Amino acid sequence: DAGVTQSPTHLIKTRGQQVTLRCSPKSGHDTVSWYQQALGQGPQFIFQYYEEEERQRGNFPDRFSGHQFPNYSSELNVNALLLGDSALYLCASSLQGLAQPQHFGDGTRLSIL
Amino acid sequence: GESVGLHLPTLSVQEGDNSIINCAYSNSASDYFIWYKQESGKGPQFIIDIRSNMDKRQGQRVTVLLNKTVKHLSLQIAATQPGDSAVYFCAENPNDYKLSFGAGTTVTVRA
Repeated sequence: DAGVTQSPTHLIKTRGQQVTLRCSPKSGHDTVSWYQQALGQGPQFIFQYYEEEERQRGNFPDRFSGHQFPNYSSELNVNALLLGDSALYLCASSLQGLAQPQHFGDGTRLSIL
Repeated sequence: GESVGLHLPTLSVQEGDNSIINCAYSNSASDYFIWYKQESGKGPQFIIDIRSNMDKRQGQRVTVLLNKTVKHLSLQIAATQPGDSAVYFCAENPNDYKLSFGAGTTVTVRA
């Protein structure tokens, strides 16, 4: 049973560029959440997608956008990259409903030069 | 075994001893809590969860305790092993959507 998979594992970009990160949820899951984890800190919630719509958004600017596809996979897009966007980007999937644990992938390490 | 009453960023434990990791959560409306383990270069791995209508839940070698009165959560690991070395995060679910993570605790197991 495949868990959450993310691609790519590592990425290097320069300031001002745009990036797209991808996530395939755990089999049977229908909800995808994205988190940003800076070095030495806990993950910070970016947004969550369910039924191809953004359900809730954390404190992140509009440069961060996402999409969920009919097969439940998801993309995170970041425009106009800043040095401060360097972080580990984590995708988590879950089943819609109360008290459903979110299961994480191993993330995409994004470095901005 | 090792125990801490307050959250500490690091915890050093002798192999075979019991570990206790503490976490204070912030939102009294949170009704669901999860402990995660994160190893270097990996994403957070689900360990155990607990709903607010419970005060204790046990898994394999792990126990989570919830004290809603003081908004405190703890994770107990029995017979700590070298493979338990990692960063441990507690997370609260203040609504049906996001998880809010606490400051992690780095556990180092001494041989």
